[in-house]
Amino acid sequence: SSQLTQPPSVSVSPGQTARITCSGDILARKFVFWYQQKSGQAPVLVIFEDHKRHPAVPDRFSGSSSGTLATLTITGAQVEDEADYYCFSTDIRGDQGVFGGGTKVTVL
Amino acid sequence: VSLVESGGALVQPGGSLTISCAASGFTFIDYNLLWVRQAPGKGLEWIAHITSTSRSISYADSVKGRFTISRDNAHNSAFLKMDNLTAADTATYFCVREPSGLAAPVTGFDFWGQGTLVSISS
Repeated sequence: SSQLTQPPSVSVSPGQTARITCSGDILARKFVFWYQQKSGQAPVLVIFEDHKRHPAVPDRFSGSSSGTLATLTITGAQVEDEADYYCFSTDIRGDQGVFGGGTKVTVL
Repeated sequence: VSLVESGGALVQPGGSLTISCAASGFTFIDYNLLWVRQAPGKGLEWIAHITSTSRSISYADSVKGRFTISRDNAHNSAFLKMDNLTAADTATYFCVREPSGLAAPVTGFDFWGQGTLVSISS
């Protein structure tokens, strides 16, 4: 299956740790990427190749992947981290991409 | 770095439309390009991808046979030709770049345009 499943929402208080999961069979064989989309803006790359953080992204963001489950972790979430987060990977042949349904992170 | 989409419009069902992406501020040939769309209030959908030299092109099943992605490396531009449009194609269409080199320090979709809105309605 090339589907990626995310929880619709995650809510944390400022300073707490937010964990966003992404599950799918393809993750056992393919990298996962994470994108952040703030309201009214274009998405930005947060994590690539499972765990590598984009240079412009704060180090409170981290990624991991094991088997069919990937996790984006925000350690010490800030109000400015409120956004929709999408995981992404490719199908087993690598010629089609698929996004997860997105997770709305609320920090309040 | 800039990716500017244009050409979004209101189109009748069954109609056609071509949207464009103008790139600047980077070496265009060093990047693959793709289109990602987002229906109003919905999530992201990967729809088409073209490699740096146009050697490899791929489409999502939802648009295969109706949409055509292309690029003009001489003019730092990319295009998406859309035929037989339906209401389900209503979305903001983002032009996105992806480093093509195997040794790229960052992989993935590292820069996105702001999008152009395509609306299908009678």
